[in-house]
Amino acid sequence: DSGVTQTPKHLITATGQRVTLRCSPRSGDLSVYWYQQSLDQGLQFLIHYYNGEERAKGNILERFSAQQFPDLHSELNLSSLELGDSALYFCASSGIAGGRETQYFGPGTRLLVL
Amino acid sequence: GENVEQHPSTLSVQEGDSAVIKCTYSDSASNYFPWYKQELGKRPQLIIDIRSNVGEKKDQRIAVTLNKTAKHFSLHITETQPEDSAVYFCAASRRGNLIFGKGTKLSVKP
Repeated sequence: DSGVTQTPKHLITATGQRVTLRCSPRSGDLSVYWYQQSLDQGLQFLIHYYNGEERAKGNILERFSAQQFPDLHSELNLSSLELGDSALYFCASSGIAGGRETQYFGPGTRLLVL
Repeated sequence: GENVEQHPSTLSVQEGDSAVIKCTYSDSASNYFPWYKQELGKRPQLIIDIRSNVGEKKDQRIAVTLNKTAKHFSLHITETQPEDSAVYFCAASRRGNLIFGKGTKLSVKP
């Protein structure tokens, strides 16, 4: 167990809908990262938050957004869902800003868009 | 931006043999290179990592080597066991944002 929790574990929804994925980092970690893993794209970095502030964006679609709250948990919002958004969504947390950061992954949320 | 290439995409070895997975990266400023193991349907788990000021690091049957000049790094697993079967991902990072290779599916045959 990495200490990173994600809810829900599974999510089934329809095209056009909106969902929210939740992540709680390890105790004391200030950084949260979101990744998307699909069969043909591997692990894609989406976005990084540090202590409530956005630090970096990767291949994140405009239909997706995220935020990190004062208690350091983070939410990833996916809207206007398309079939191609079906994937595993992981969050990871780390404890050191800049430099070396060992990231610990949560168990993931499996999203299926029908 | 950073780009990480990983080879091979699949690797099959006999139990007890060694396995080598290679990655190249494009951003010379990258300074942290972790390797993750992911079993089917589970989260990626860190197995070993190396910083750019170190050329080699070993942890029991696992070792990683880094060649900064050539911008490539490799994972070596010796005395492979069936439980080593999984997908292995390399990654490169400069400011904590990991850019992953596409993964290598390792199968260890008993």
